[in-house]
Order: sequence, then structure tokens, then C-alpha cells
Amino acid sequence: QKEVEQNSGPLSVPEGAIASLNCTYSDRGSQSFFWYRQYSGKSPELIMFIYSNGDKEDGRFTAQLNKASQYVSLLIRDSQPSDSATYLCAVWYGQNFVFGPGTRLSVLP
Amino acid sequence: ETGVTQSPTHLIKTRGQQVTLRCSSQSGHNTVSWYQQALGQGPQFIFQYYREEENGRGNFPPRFSGLQFPNYSSELNVNALELDDSALYLCASSLVETSGEETQYFGPGTRLLVL
Repeated sequence: QKEVEQNSGPLSVPEGAIASLNCTYSDRGSQSFFWYRQYSGKSPELIMFIYSNGDKEDGRFTAQLNKASQYVSLLIRDSQPSDSATYLCAVWYGQNFVFGPGTRLSVLP
Repeated sequence: ETGVTQSPTHLIKTRGQQVTLRCSSQSGHNTVSWYQQALGQGPQFIFQYYREEENGRGNFPPRFSGLQFPNYSSELNVNALELDDSALYLCASSLVETSGEETQYFGPGTRLLVL
């Protein structure tokens, strides 16, 4: 059973701080890793994906992948109240796509 | 607003019935995937189609089946509905660019209630 784990939160950070969201996965054969944001009552939105070890940056978002530790993280710099949402980590295993349960982030003004 | 639409928005069925959900993809996107999302949980991957061929499947029984059409729209069919099939069903269309970057958009979902 391939698993993706996330801390369910809520994770609370003050406005302007860096929010750090973490995700671990069970299968070393994992190929691609995705981060989504889902506002309450809305569909998920793809923030970014990463498939190589290291960092990938897009605006205020940085994804970090460490395949040896089976760990992927998402950093949100200069967090804003509008970033308050559930963040979903997902892993593509080649034939199956497994989501974590999501981490609720609350950015406090 | 994304270019992905789903129909119907809501649906009520009874146990044992069959249902067909539809998804219209973002223009130019050749891949569509379907998900089931129960309240308060992350989405669960049902399957994915690329250019009309299934190229990935999650842990769902065969009574969940799908089709992707030449215009890249898609259907999800569920036979012999069970109470536990009550959930939000999401489709997402995607395209992997030549650069390797992927764009993906979710539709608004169909909420299915099985009584």
C-alpha cells in the first residue's frame, strides 16, 4: 500500500512569516510530487510539481524534494491571510496517484 | 475560472443504480483524471486517460469505469451504486508542455448522494 502522510494541522503562522508544510511518502519508486491548494468548498488548484532532488521555486512558493529521505516540503514565504487553505501533497507512482490527507494552514493577520 | 466543466453539479441516486458523470476538458489538454473526494478527506485517484487510453488507475473496483473521447472530454460511469459512493467527484484536465512543466485544472465537481 503506497502511502502519503501529512500533518493534518492546523498549522498557524503570523502574516509575513514562512509557512513550512511537510509530506513523507512510502515508496522509493515515486516519480513526481505535487502540491495543491484547496480552499474550503472549492476544487484543488495545482501550485507546483517537482521530480528532481533539490529546490524548485515559483514566486513565493518553494518545493523541496529529498528522495533519499522520502520527503517533500512546500515553503510559502511572506504568508498572507489569503494563503489560508488546505494544502495537499500528492505522489505519482507511475500508474497510481496518491494524495495525502492535507494540512490546514491558517495565516493570522 | 478554469476551462474545465462538469455535469451535473448535483445528483441523487439510490443504491444499485448506475450513474454517468461528464467532464469537458480545458482546450488543448490531452489528459484527464478523475477523483473521489469524501468530506474532510483528500482526493482519491480513480483513473487517468491520455489520448483515449487508460494509463493509470487507483484502488477502485471495476464498477468504476471511464471513457475519454477524441475531443478529450470524458465520462465516469459507476455501476451498482453503494452508499459509500456518496462523495464529490472531481475531474482534472492536464497537459505536459514540451518544457516538462505541467498545467492542470480541476473542474468544480459533481456531488453525488446515494440513498
